[in-house]
Amino acid sequence: DVKVTQSSRYLVKRTGEKVFLECVQDMDHENMFWYRQDPGLGLRLIYFSYDVKMKEKGDIPEGYSVSREKKERFSLILESASTNQTSMYLCASTLSGRGYNEQFFGPGTRLTVL
Amino acid sequence: AQKITQTQPGMFVQEKEAVTLDCTYDTSDQSYGLFWYKQPSSGEMIFLIYQGSYDEQNATEGRYSLNFQKARKSANLVISASQLGDSAMYFCAMRGPGNEKLTFGTGTRLTIIP
Repeated sequence: DVKVTQSSRYLVKRTGEKVFLECVQDMDHENMFWYRQDPGLGLRLIYFSYDVKMKEKGDIPEGYSVSREKKERFSLILESASTNQTSMYLCASTLSGRGYNEQFFGPGTRLTVL
Repeated sequence: AQKITQTQPGMFVQEKEAVTLDCTYDTSDQSYGLFWYKQPSSGEMIFLIYQGSYDEQNATEGRYSLNFQKARKSANLVISASQLGDSAMYFCAMRGPGNEKLTFGTGTRLTIIP
């Protein structure tokens, strides 16, 4: 059974803290993604990676960075958490190639920044 | 740039009735793919159905079908014989050529009434 896991379902942090969100997939997928989901805004892409050590900015990268040292693991880093980063964070992965490749999602991390 | 519009923030439907969730898109690409995802209250994103821009037939998957009208740039999801378990958020998404990024709409919250 294919699987994307995220390190925490719920996380509470204080303003200014450095926050790490971890995502692991066991499907040998090349592509991995980080989204944030906010009511009324849908899912917005923060960063994605199409290979180890490769990354590209998505639509809302400000305040975030990412790391992909191994194919199966993609980390989202909030260098200095702020209250406006309180949100649901979703990780996803997919294969590369022609035709349709659905994105497989993790269960999400609900982050609260106080 | 790609854009997905879902104009129905919320819908209430009687159990066993058919449901149509609206999705319109905007793109200048000729090759693209359209996806629908379901997000129950548990938070995980579940892939439902896919339609390629060159597919001549409307996609179907069990009780789900996609009413694809290319000239009108619409890709509505139809759920036949709705069930209580269909209550969830539904997201329409699009992928363009050359990469695996998805652009999501803002979602529709569907509530099935017994």
